Amino acid sequence: KQEVTQIPAALSVPEGENLVLNCSFTDSAIYNLQWFRQDPGKGLTSLLLIQSSQREQTSGRLNASLDKSSGRSTLYIAASQPGDSATYLCAVPGGSYIPTFGRGTSLIVHP
Amino acid sequence: EADIYQTPRYLVIGTGKKITLECSQTMGHDKMYWYQQDPGMELHLIHYSYGVNSTEKGDLSSESTVSRIRTEHFPLTLESARPSHTSQYLCASSEFPNTGELFFGEGSRLTVL
Repeated sequence: KQEVTQIPAALSVPEGENLVLNCSFTDSAIYNLQWFRQDPGKGLTSLLLIQSSQREQTSGRLNASLDKSSGRSTLYIAASQPGDSATYLCAVPGGSYIPTFGRGTSLIVHP
Repeated sequence: EADIYQTPRYLVIGTGKKITLECSQTMGHDKMYWYQQDPGMELHLIHYSYGVNSTEKGDLSSESTVSRIRTEHFPLTLESARPSHTSQYLCASSEFPNTGELFFGEGSRLTVL
């Protein structure tokens, strides 16, 4: 059964710092990996999708890398801003390709 | 922008009422999912569907039921709501087997008094 772990569980940083959020998964035979952002009381917004054949994806200040062999993905956030405050989740397909989520990293960026 | 919609966004009802949470997507996706999420907690899969007339229960036991009569529509029903059903319900669809990208609706926040 696919299990997804996200570290750290919570992060509080001053504005301007570069951040690293980690996601690890137990079954490396994945179809893709997707990073999401969730604001309180809202749905999930897709940030980046990495296909199994890719090593990384970039969107603005966000960069996600994927190392299937080690079962890890990293989300880099450059020059963090207060508006980046949210919970960040990663998801990978598990059995029957059903998305399996980590518990998320709760990020607070203070001015 | 994702074309997946949930209604109602917020619902407050009394115990024993029957409710239906609506989820619709216009992307033609076959795979659809319902997740339940309590505040600050992880997502739990409660139902999923691979296409019309296909529904399965997820990992989390739920007293809700779902139907999939049309590709674009995946409603969730609670026959008799209880306070323990108070939660946020998130609907999603997937572009599987193409990219496999997952799209979420805005969620339905249910409060049962």
